[in-house]
Amino acid sequence: GQQLNQSPQSMFIQEGEDVSMNCTSSSIFNTWLWYKQDPGEGPVLLIALYKAGELTSNGRLTAQFGITRKDSFLNISASIPSDVGIYFCAGPGVQGAQKLVFGQGTRLTINP
Amino acid sequence: GAGVSQSPSNKVTEKGKDVELRCDPISGHTALYWYRQSLGQGLEFLIYFQGNSAPDKSGLPSDRFSAERTGGSVSTLTIQRIQQEDSAVYLCASSRDRGTFGEETQYFGPGTRLLVL
Repeated sequence: GQQLNQSPQSMFIQEGEDVSMNCTSSSIFNTWLWYKQDPGEGPVLLIALYKAGELTSNGRLTAQFGITRKDSFLNISASIPSDVGIYFCAGPGVQGAQKLVFGQGTRLTINP
Repeated sequence: GAGVSQSPSNKVTEKGKDVELRCDPISGHTALYWYRQSLGQGLEFLIYFQGNSAPDKSGLPSDRFSAERTGGSVSTLTIQRIQQEDSAVYLCASSRDRGTFGEETQYFGPGTRLLVL
């Protein structure tokens, strides 16, 4: 079935550093979604990408939809303590847009 | 406005028992989803309700799992004869019918943390 592979699995950075994480798939996705999950909470949508090549920003976050439709990256600039959490990429499954397929997540830890 | 709420927030139970998990979606959202998140993993789709249509149960892992949605609003996920491997966080999400560009943004609740002893 469809799978999304995220890397790295975890990151340990200093406050103020930039962060880059990516998500790849062996199959084409027509939409890429990036979610963040804080401890004890459900995931919250950060950025949605709908067109190949699309580059979208949301504050300090920037995400791009790869031209091949098989990858996407998320960058965070000038990280701050509240950026700590798990970042998931997701996309609609082949069996229906409603059934989101999620990556395993990238856990971000920030040292103050 | 109020987001998706789930109860209980935590549940500890024993093997063989039945458990019920509740989800209250955002008012006016016609679509409701259940996902399961095992420790250190991403979310796994379980079941999807859309309006009055028959639910899509294709993600349910076994016949011990069932869900219903009464009156197009509140949903209950039931796990019968629970097993240790059922331990996970169970997340509910809801969305409007169709959003911009035909995509539906799913809003998640905080989840129910289920631990089977």
